[in-house]
Amino acid sequence: EVQLLESGGGLIQPGGSLRLSCAASGFTFSAYAMSWVRQAPGKGLEWVSGISGGGGSANNADSVKGRFTISRDNSRNTLYLQMNNLRGEDTAVYYCAKGGRWSPSDSWGQGTLVTVSS
Amino acid sequence: EIVLTQSPGTLSLSPGERATLSCRASQSVSSTYLAWYQQKPGQAPRLLIYGASSRATGIPDRFSGSGSGTDFTLTISRLEPEDFAVYYCQQYGSSPLLTFGGGTKVEIK
Repeated sequence: EVQLLESGGGLIQPGGSLRLSCAASGFTFSAYAMSWVRQAPGKGLEWVSGISGGGGSANNADSVKGRFTISRDNSRNTLYLQMNNLRGEDTAVYYCAKGGRWSPSDSWGQGTLVTVSS
Repeated sequence: EIVLTQSPGTLSLSPGERATLSCRASQSVSSTYLAWYQQKPGQAPRLLIYGASSRATGIPDRFSGSGSGTDFTLTISRLEPEDFAVYYCQQYGSSPLLTFGGGTKVEIK
């Protein structure tokens, strides 16, 4: 059974940094692209970042470009999202999803809440 | 960036009725890379349809997807009580920047 468990969310002040983690199990992690998707309170889904299975190719949404960095450690079956210079509009539940470019997101974590506020 | 526009924003229907949801892209999208997701309150999204028309594992056959180019449709043939939720389309290959539509809420009339 595929399991994705996000962690690292919390309350952070504007301008601060946070690193989210997603521990994966139940599938061959290195064989799959992975994504981060967020959902602001009461709003729709927004794709944030994606990374290839090997980690050699990554992309970010324009809204987070230059501030967020996606990475993965295939030896630890873990996906990361480094978030710098956080803004109020980054407040959202952040989901880790198995899948990315060229593969649908067929499994999702339960999400971790990031709140950016002073 | 490919913009996906979903309509209507809200669909009010009764159980047993047919639901037709639309997803229109700002430029042509390969049907190979068009997906639909269902999300219920407090839950993560669930993949329903990929490749525009293929049902994901465990998805009942009352859900069907169709379309090509810039116009895609999700149809729920007969609404069950558990189908009332928000539905999102997503393109996941025609651009390196993946995008979701704004969602359609299917509510009980």
